[in-house]
Amino acid sequence: AQTVTQSQPEMSVQEAETVTLSCTYDTSENNYYLFWYKQPPSRQMILVIRQEAYKQQNATENRFSVNFQKAAKSFSLKISDSQLGDTAMYFCAFMKLGSGNTGKLIFGQGTTLQVKP
Amino acid sequence: EAGVTQSPTHLIKTRGQHATLRCSPISGHTSVYWYQQALGLGLQFLLWYDEGEERNRGNFPPRFSGRQFPNYSSELNVNALELEDSALYLCASSSGQFSGNTIYFGEGSWLTVV
Repeated sequence: AQTVTQSQPEMSVQEAETVTLSCTYDTSENNYYLFWYKQPPSRQMILVIRQEAYKQQNATENRFSVNFQKAAKSFSLKISDSQLGDTAMYFCAFMKLGSGNTGKLIFGQGTTLQVKP
Repeated sequence: EAGVTQSPTHLIKTRGQHATLRCSPISGHTSVYWYQQALGLGLQFLLWYDEGEERNRGNFPPRFSGRQFPNYSSELNVNALELEDSALYLCASSSGQFSGNTIYFGEGSWLTVV
């Protein structure tokens, strides 16, 4: 069975600074997706970034980038130029490839990020 | 374009009762997913519906069930409610069965069982 671990329950960062959230996962699969989702106080889960395991290049979305280390089963999220609106809970998630696994995301426990002015 | 919409926002039920939660996917999306976010248990996959059929379910008892209608909207039914069913229930949708399609979430329905 796959597991996702986020070892940092809470983190804080000053506005405009950079912060990195950690995530490790355990799987015997070779083909999968990894995601970071953001859950602000509104509770809606918002996709931040995703990475296909077969791609060696790290995904980037504006101020958000990942460091994907497949051999180490590590998938960290870097937020650059942190903004107050980045304050939220961040979830790392794993999903196996394959039609039978569609939508079956396995989430980590979450990291609460507070951006301070 | 409207996102995934869920109703009701909040629901309070008594132990042993039945609860129904509803979800409308993004227009054009055929797959609907349900997740439970319970305190201390994190986010757990519940059910996946596509084209009106249940395609996959998580490790939940049979009293958690649902269905998908011809317009792709979905409802989640929870029978014989227990206190530990209190949670935020998130609905999500995507276009088609391809596992690479992006999944979009709604804002959830809070279910409180007293």
